[in-house]
Amino acid sequence: NAGVTQTPKFQVLKTGQSMTLQCAQDMNHNSMYWYRQDPGMGLRLIYYSASEGTTDKGEVPNGYNVSRLNKREFSLRLESAAPSQTSVYFCASSEAVGARETQYFGPGTRLLVL
Amino acid sequence: QKEVEQDPGPLSVPEGAIVSLNCTYSNSAFQYFMWYRQYSRKGPELLMYTYSSGNKEDGRFTAQVDKSSKYISLFIRDSQPSDSATYLCAMSVSGGGADGLTFGKGTHLIIQP
Repeated sequence: NAGVTQTPKFQVLKTGQSMTLQCAQDMNHNSMYWYRQDPGMGLRLIYYSASEGTTDKGEVPNGYNVSRLNKREFSLRLESAAPSQTSVYFCASSEAVGARETQYFGPGTRLLVL
Repeated sequence: QKEVEQDPGPLSVPEGAIVSLNCTYSNSAFQYFMWYRQYSRKGPELLMYTYSSGNKEDGRFTAQVDKSSKYISLFIRDSQPSDSATYLCAMSVSGGGADGLTFGKGTHLIIQP
């Protein structure tokens, strides 16, 4: 049971390049999330997916697209990377037990845009 | 004013001390309150989960929520060097979903051996 996995661990891009961050979970969770973490800003929600085929914007969706390929996988795409997108990106999945929903985070992808 | 305020620290205490970490918030609709621990270059992991007001204890950790004051706390008793990490408070109106979680910036805690 690997939990939430993310690839790559680290990436350097030039301004204008595109890339896709991959996330997969093996806990059979319905909900998945993408966050970014910046110094002094904390974790902020980019996109959310309640189930396969559905996605919703979070607090900071501009410049990103997502795809919920199936129940396990949720990818985040940067079409034209900008230096402002330099950050650490975390994927999470969650399970609900009654009214309680627990989010489990992956190890993160560190992205540097030059 | 940010929705969730948390002192970034660093907070440095000797081993064995009682640690108090706090967050204040402005949105009275928050009902679900969490504390996450994040080690350097790792993802956050859930430490404590509390619904509405009250206390919750789990081993050396105690979480308190005071909704009337919009104030939450995490206490760590008999602190250990392995407790050195960044502690993030998080809260939610509905428990998750499209609201996601609203996080504090995190407090960097250092336990000195």
